[in-house]
Amino acid sequence: AQSVTQLGSHVSVSEGALVLLRCNYSSSVPPYLFWYVQYPNQGLQLLLKYTSAATLVKGINGFEAEFKKSETSFHLTKPSAHMSDAAEYFCAVSVVGNTGKLIFGQGTTLQVKP
Amino acid sequence: EAGVAQSPRYKIIEKRQSVAFWCNPISGHATLYWYQQILGQGPKLLIQFQNNGVVDDSQLPKDRFSAERLKGVDSTLKIQPAKLEDSAVYLCASSLDPYGYTFGSGTRLTVV
Repeated sequence: AQSVTQLGSHVSVSEGALVLLRCNYSSSVPPYLFWYVQYPNQGLQLLLKYTSAATLVKGINGFEAEFKKSETSFHLTKPSAHMSDAAEYFCAVSVVGNTGKLIFGQGTTLQVKP
Repeated sequence: EAGVAQSPRYKIIEKRQSVAFWCNPISGHATLYWYQQILGQGPKLLIQFQNNGVVDDSQLPKDRFSAERLKGVDSTLKIQPAKLEDSAVYLCASSLDPYGYTFGSGTRLTVV
C-alpha cells in the first residue's frame, strides 16, 4: 500500500527566506508524486508533479521538488518566500498504472512572516 | 475553460438529517472523483467514476453515503443520515487522465 508522510504540520519562514516542505512516501512500485496548494476556502491547485521523467521538477510560482528514490523523498522548495505563499500544502502519491486515486499526506501549513 | 463547479459552498444540518452535494465537472472529463477532507487532514477518496461507472468506492461508507453520475456528466453525493463525524469539506475533481486533476472549491458541511 502507498502512503505519504509530511514532516512538520506547521512551517514558519520570513519573507525572502528559503521554503522547505518535507515529504516522504512509501510505495512498492514506482510512484507518481504531486504537490498541491490549498488557500483558505478554496480547492486544491496543482503545484507540480513527478511522473518518472526528470527527477527535478519545476512547478508554478517558483516552486520545485526533487524526487530522490534512495531517500523515498519528494521535498518541496522555493528559494525566496513571498507573503502570498502562505497556505496549506499537500503532498500526494499515485501508483503507476493505478486508476488515478491520490493518497494525500496530512498537510503542512506554511506561515510567511513579514 | 470553465472549472469544476460545486454547490452549495456551505451547508449546516442537524445530525440524522440528509444532505446532497452537486458537482459539474469540466466538459469532456471522463473521470470524476469525490474526496472528503476532514479538518486538519489530507483529502481521502470516497468514490471515483469513469463516465457513469464506479471505479473505486472502497472507502465510501455505503450505509449512509451514496453517489451517482447520471449520463457520465454531473454527479451528486448524498449523506443520509448524517453524523457529527461527517463534518468536512467535500471536494469534487475531474480529469482527462489519471494525473491531471482539477479540483472544485468544495462544499463545507457542518453537522450539529
